[in-house]
Amino acid sequence: NAGVTQTPKFQVLKTGQSMTLQCAQDMNHEYMSWYRQDPGMGLRLIHYSVGAGITDQGEVPNGYNVSRSTTEDFPLRLLSAAPSQTSVYFCASRPYNSPLHFGNGTRLTVT
Amino acid sequence: AQTVTQSQPEMSVQEAETVTLSCTYDTSENNYYLFWYKQPPSRQMILVIRQEAYKQQNATENRFSVNFQKAAKSFSLKISDSQLGDTAMYFCAFMKQRRNQGGSEKLVFGKGTKLTVNP
Repeated sequence: NAGVTQTPKFQVLKTGQSMTLQCAQDMNHEYMSWYRQDPGMGLRLIHYSVGAGITDQGEVPNGYNVSRSTTEDFPLRLLSAAPSQTSVYFCASRPYNSPLHFGNGTRLTVT
Repeated sequence: AQTVTQSQPEMSVQEAETVTLSCTYDTSENNYYLFWYKQPPSRQMILVIRQEAYKQQNATENRFSVNFQKAAKSFSLKISDSQLGDTAMYFCAFMKQRRNQGGSEKLVFGKGTKLTVNP
């Protein structure tokens, strides 16, 4: 099993550009989520999903969109990148009442 | 809303010694889970240990153990015989326990403690 796979590992964007961070899991987990990690802030929840077709906002959703058309995939879209979105992004999934399994993260820089 | 507080932004320890990382949390829930995650310089998030709130016995995983004080809402991590490979950020996290499948319970993280193990 590959677990949780995130692509790309690194990305540089210019202000105003859009892009999609990809996330896929092969563990048949219903729950998937996106976090961003900033120095001194820990991990903050952006969006999450409890199953295909169901998404909801987390703590810091502004500027990001998600969709969940399949159990396996949960892409995160940046609509118009801003320097404040420079961060490390983690996708994670979990089964019922269990810990999160994390991807290896994407380091995004917006200039 | 639940909050998790890690009061030690940075700590250091000598190789082979013991170190304890602190974590407190605030919740009105009775059933929940607590976790410690490790993030080495490789950026991976690795689950270190897990504690169910209904269990009185403290969880242990090899050199890692916790001191879970439910009444005090405290969940500290003890690392014995520290090794250079233990150098990492450590995050404490909280999650409500849900009775029914399909729950949307979120993991809430503390801000982390940067641990350095010195040779």
